[in-house]
Amino acid sequence: EAGVVQSPRYKIIEKKQPVAFWCNPISGHNTLYWYLQNLGQGPELLIRYENEEAVDDSQLPKDRFSAERLKGVDSTLKIQPAELGDSAVYLCASSLGRTGSSTDTQYFGPGTRLTVL
Amino acid sequence: GNSVTQMEGPVTLSEEAFLTINCTYTATGYPSLFWYVQYPGEGLQLLLKATKADDKGSNKGFEATYRKETTSFHLEKGSVQVSDSAVYFCALSGSGGSNYKLTFGKGTLLTVNP
Repeated sequence: EAGVVQSPRYKIIEKKQPVAFWCNPISGHNTLYWYLQNLGQGPELLIRYENEEAVDDSQLPKDRFSAERLKGVDSTLKIQPAELGDSAVYLCASSLGRTGSSTDTQYFGPGTRLTVL
Repeated sequence: GNSVTQMEGPVTLSEEAFLTINCTYTATGYPSLFWYVQYPGEGLQLLLKATKADDKGSNKGFEATYRKETTSFHLEKGSVQVSDSAVYFCALSGSGGSNYKLTFGKGTLLTVNP
């Protein structure tokens, strides 16, 4: 079974440029998460989707970040414009989506490493 | 709010040595506890988990016991291998309606030398 797929794996851009990350979750997984991982830190949740609905975007900086999950499968996270401080790894994860179940394991993709110059 | 504190690394061991990575947490209610591992160039993988007090999670020779009285979930392995070299993250998920939200520690880099 294929895991969570993310692309690109690496991205280098200049500040003020836009950037987008793509995620394809595990087939059949209804819940999709985007995390931000700064160097030397653990991941922090940015946004969670249940199917196509963003049910928790409280940690997403909405002035420059946006996300979508059309048709409740693939998702795109966008930053516009990027700032130097956005350099980090952006992780996507998915789970079956059994809300309230302690066994709803999150499976992570390899991440996209963003460098903003 | 919820928080996880884990042993700072890096940790360097020789092959077949005993491993302990300490993890303590602060949370309301009854969180579930996890250890994730991140091998170089790969995403996080769930290593083991425990969902209630006194549960022991185990996988690939690693073990951790959910200790509510000490709010701890220390990771142990009796004999490490070079292939165990990775970053290890302790995490918890909230209880009830927020049980999807993982709170991670900062990670501990483990290097095992032959």
